[in-house]
Amino acid sequence: GNSVTQMEGPVTLSEEAFLTINCTYTATGYPSLFWYVQYPGEGLQLLLKATKADDKGSNKGFEATYRKETTSFHLEKGSVQVSDSAVYFCALIRPGAGSYQLTFGKGTKLSVIP
Amino acid sequence: DGGITQSPKYLFRKEGQNVTLSCEQNLNHDAMYWYRQDPGQGLRLIYYSQIVNDFQKGDIAEGYSVSREKKESFPLTVTSAQKNPTAFYLCASSIAESYTFGSGTRLTVV
Repeated sequence: GNSVTQMEGPVTLSEEAFLTINCTYTATGYPSLFWYVQYPGEGLQLLLKATKADDKGSNKGFEATYRKETTSFHLEKGSVQVSDSAVYFCALIRPGAGSYQLTFGKGTKLSVIP
Repeated sequence: DGGITQSPKYLFRKEGQNVTLSCEQNLNHDAMYWYRQDPGQGLRLIYYSQIVNDFQKGDIAEGYSVSREKKESFPLTVTSAQKNPTAFYLCASSIAESYTFGSGTRLTVV
């Protein structure tokens, strides 16, 4: 079946540090890949997505590249801010399954300290 | 503005009681979903519905029930059969791969 594995947290960084959150997936075919962000006490917001191999999704300084050969979709940001503190979820949708169900990783909590 | 509304934000339930969580959307989305979130476990799918009057079990449906009588509404009932209901519950709706999430309901059994 489909699965998403992302690095365990929590991750604590100083402001302006470089961020990488690793994400790998298992799925048949060519899934669409997503990063969602959840701020404390809130629902999920789409951060970025990529729908085919070698696509790069980007938003708010975050980037992730769809790597088919390594089945990965690692999230990166060059300089984190305190306001980036949140839980980040990697997810996929496998097309052709009859519905557009999201499969999530377990989430990585990021804390950025001044 | 279109969106998805969950209520209440906080809910307390006594052991042995059923409780219903509300989810309403005005996005005209056909599909709706309920997820449960526990620390370190990510989001797990409870039930989903792709069309009015039809719904399917997700990965952890035991102890929960849903209805989909209107396109806009997808309430979730947590029954007394759910052994460990304390969690954060998220509702979502989607059109194709585009999802919108509600802000969640935190349920605590007291």
